[in-house]
Amino acid sequence: EAGVAQSPRYKIIEKRQSVAFWCNPISGHATLYWYQQILGQGPKLLIQFQNNGVVDDSQLPKDRFSAERLKGVDSTLKIQPAKLEDSAVYLCASSSVLEEQYFGPGTRLTVT
Amino acid sequence: AQTVTQSQPEMSVQEAETVTLSCTYDTSENNYYLFWYKQPPSRQMILVIRQEAYKQQNATENRFSVNFQKAAKSFSLKISDSQLGDTAMYFCAPRRPFNRKLIWGLGTSLAVNP
Repeated sequence: EAGVAQSPRYKIIEKRQSVAFWCNPISGHATLYWYQQILGQGPKLLIQFQNNGVVDDSQLPKDRFSAERLKGVDSTLKIQPAKLEDSAVYLCASSSVLEEQYFGPGTRLTVT
Repeated sequence: AQTVTQSQPEMSVQEAETVTLSCTYDTSENNYYLFWYKQPPSRQMILVIRQEAYKQQNATENRFSVNFQKAAKSFSLKISDSQLGDTAMYFCAPRRPFNRKLIWGLGTSLAVNP
């Protein structure tokens, strides 16, 4: 089966610009996760969707980050405006009800 | 707050030898899962092995096995016959039962040397 797809794989922007990341989960997976992983650290959960509803967005900086999952399938994560400290790898993962999380390849964001 | 401690930030091992990565965690919940994930350099996170907390038998997956001690809240990963492709960051991640949220440690960077 196809894995979790993410695009773009790499993005370089200047601070105060906006950026969007896209994720297509494994077919049939109801739960979708967005993580931020800063170099040398473990992933930090930004937002968790169950179908198209938000389960947990407690660590999402809502003044600049937004995410949506239309129709309970694909998802986009947006940053506007970006700051230098947003430089990180953004990981998307998906899971079914009983299974473990499967991760995409990630998007490496560099903010200059 | 639930926490995960991986006390070895970096480890190295010679090819074909055995290495054990340690993990301890703090949870008040009784029924949960534990996972070890592997993240090779510049490559995606993949699942290495999983353990259900209600099972007494330690999980094994080919060269990878765990030593799960529930009372001590310890979940170590043993890699036998280490291979160069095992070089990666390894993350221990218990999963909370009610919202399936993973709690991540800081990881252990493992280098397998030829």
